[in-house]
Amino acid sequence: AQTVTQSQPEMSVQEAETVTLSCTYDTSESDYYLFWYKQPPSRQMILVIRQEAYKQQNATENRFSVNFQKAAKSFSLKISDSQLGDAAMYFCAYRSAPLYSGGGADGLTFGKGTHLIIQP
Amino acid sequence: GAGVSQTPSNKVTEKGKYVELRCDPISGHTALYWYRQSLGQGPEFLIYFQGTGAADDSGLPNDRFFAVRPEGSVSTLKIQRTERGDSAVYLCASSRGQRGGTDTQYFGPGTRLTVL
Repeated sequence: AQTVTQSQPEMSVQEAETVTLSCTYDTSESDYYLFWYKQPPSRQMILVIRQEAYKQQNATENRFSVNFQKAAKSFSLKISDSQLGDAAMYFCAYRSAPLYSGGGADGLTFGKGTHLIIQP
Repeated sequence: GAGVSQTPSNKVTEKGKYVELRCDPISGHTALYWYRQSLGQGPEFLIYFQGTGAADDSGLPNDRFFAVRPEGSVSTLKIQRTERGDSAVYLCASSRGQRGGTDTQYFGPGTRLTVL
C-alpha cells in the first residue's frame, strides 16, 4: 500500500514571501500521479497542482510550482508571492496509474495535511 | 449543477441510529468517490463508483457502511448502527471517469456527521 507523509503540521509565512510545503511518499509502483489539494475552512477540497510521475519536468500553475524528486520520493509545493487567500490546509495526495489499478481510476491516498498561515 | 453538492451539510445523530448521506455529482461525471475525513487527518478513501457499480469498495471500514448509486448519478452513503467513532466529515468527489491522472476529482463541501 502507498503512504503519504507530510511532516509539517503547520507553516507560517509573511504575505508576499515564498513558502515550501514538504511531502514524501512510499510506493513500489513506477507510474503514478501526485497532487496538491487546498482545503479552506469551507471544507471543499480544491486541486492546486498535479504531477505525472513519468514527466521529469516539474509542474507549474501560476504562483504554485512543485519540486518532484522521483528517486527520493519527494514532492514539495512552493507558493510564491503568498497571499492572504492562500491560507488553508494543504494536502498532498497519491494516485496509482491505471496499470496498477486494474485499468480504471483509483481513489486518492492523502497525507495528514499542513496548515498554512499567512501573516499580513 | 455547477459543482458537487452534498446534503445535509451537518448531521447529528445518536449512537445506534441509521443515517444516509447524499451526494449529487457534477452532471456527466461517471466516476464518484466517497472519502472520510476525521479531525486532524487527511481524507481516507472509502468507495469508488464507475457508473452504477462499485468498482472499488476496499476502503469501507466494515459492513455497517454501504453505498449505492442506482442510476449512475446521485449516490447515497448509508451507515447502520452508528458509533461515536463514525463522527467525521464525509466527502464526495466526482470525475469524468477517464483513465489517467488527467481525470481530476472535484470535491463537494462534505457532510459533518456527529454521533452522540
